[in-house]
Amino acid sequence: SAVISQKPSRDICQRGTSLTIQCQVDSQVTMMFWYRQQPGQSLTLIATANQGSEATYESGFVIDKFPISRPNLTFSTLTVSNMSPEDSSIYLCSAWFTEAFFGQGTRLTVV
Amino acid sequence: AQSVTQPDIHITVSEGASLELRCNYSYGATPYLFWYVQSPGQGLQLLLKYFSGDTLVQGIKGFEAEFKRSQSSFNLRKPSVHWSDAAEYFCAVAVSGNTGKLIFGQGTTLQVKP
Repeated sequence: SAVISQKPSRDICQRGTSLTIQCQVDSQVTMMFWYRQQPGQSLTLIATANQGSEATYESGFVIDKFPISRPNLTFSTLTVSNMSPEDSSIYLCSAWFTEAFFGQGTRLTVV
Repeated sequence: AQSVTQPDIHITVSEGASLELRCNYSYGATPYLFWYVQSPGQGLQLLLKYFSGDTLVQGIKGFEAEFKRSQSSFNLRKPSVHWSDAAEYFCAVAVSGNTGKLIFGQGTTLQVKP
């Protein structure tokens, strides 16, 4: 199994600002993933982050809005840029070890 | 394109009653299927998974699921529900096998009556 730590666990941000979410895995992993869960909704994949290469974004998500870093095999960050109230969501990171493990999520509120 | 459908948005059952949550998937090859539970304010916890082999899969907390290829279904069951089972349940399919990229259903909210 794997333990995935995410921080911050929650934040309230002003519109127009940016927030960087950190995700730490207790084991080395090739692929990490970032998901968004809008209020009352299911999870939607934002992007796949591989170490040593650019993140791969899903349709509807762009690098300028959600830049991702993957500096090593245990760590990744997701930045939510130029935030608006529509970005209020839970953001979760995930790592694959024969199954997907998830962090506890970051609950973001944009005011 | 791959998709997952959970037809029931909300389900209410009495404590001690049996439970079945439905999940249908659309995927061309043999799917990797998962059920996750999310309690309020909590992250996602894996209940069980199916990759291959025995189509009846046992999971944690007394849950089981049955893979039926002919019906493209992976329904979750529990013989006797406890009040602590009240949560949001998500069915998911892994895209392209074991890549870790998951497509989730819309979720089913389970309410348990005393």
